[in-house]
Amino acid sequence: QVQLVESGGGVVQPGGSLRLSCAASGFTFSRHAMYWVRQAPGKGLEWLAVISSDGRQKYYADSVKGRFTVSRDNSKNTLYLQMNSLRPEDTAVSFCAREGRRGSFDSWGQGTLVIVSS
Amino acid sequence: QSALTQPPSASGSPGQSVTISCTGTSSDVGGYDFVSWYQQYPGKAPKLMISEVNNRPSGVPDRFSGSKSGNTASLTVSGLQAEDEADYYCSSYAGNNNYVFGTGTKVTVL
Repeated sequence: QVQLVESGGGVVQPGGSLRLSCAASGFTFSRHAMYWVRQAPGKGLEWLAVISSDGRQKYYADSVKGRFTVSRDNSKNTLYLQMNSLRPEDTAVSFCAREGRRGSFDSWGQGTLVIVSS
Repeated sequence: QSALTQPPSASGSPGQSVTISCTGTSSDVGGYDFVSWYQQYPGKAPKLMISEVNNRPSGVPDRFSGSKSGNTASLTVSGLQAEDEADYYCSSYAGNNNYVFGTGTKVTVL
């Protein structure tokens, strides 16, 4: 079965960096675009980034453009999110998700919590 | 990109139906048939319930259905059950490889 497992979250000071990972299994990772979505405590979902199946195309939400970088290693079945210049408002649970039918996210990881605080 | 607008809450008694709206613009909901719906229990990951406006993935009960008219999409849960009590989010493709989620609706089973 499809499994996505995020890791790398933690507590970081404002201005700091973190790299999140998402280990995929149970499907052919290299055939699917992948997404990052986050959810601030008690708030709704926010789409962050998408990367094409071959890693060549990457797109970002305006709120993270220029600060976050999505990448993938298809040989390791792993998705990444490099988060730089972190702000307190970046505090959230970050989920990785697999592309399903057009415009949908059909499988999700359990999420990893990022706390930006001094 | 502004979040799609959903009512904060909706409720119904067991066996009844509840419909949740998701209002966007002609640049997102109205412009594409790529509206999805997600169910989320507290502390858990979202689960895809509907894709492409009205497509139900395998394993999702047929009590869940979706529709769209103009800039507003809707999710209807028929024959409401206790296990349907959760938060529900819509999402839409918004062009230029951007995606937007709704504000979320908490469904309560009375």
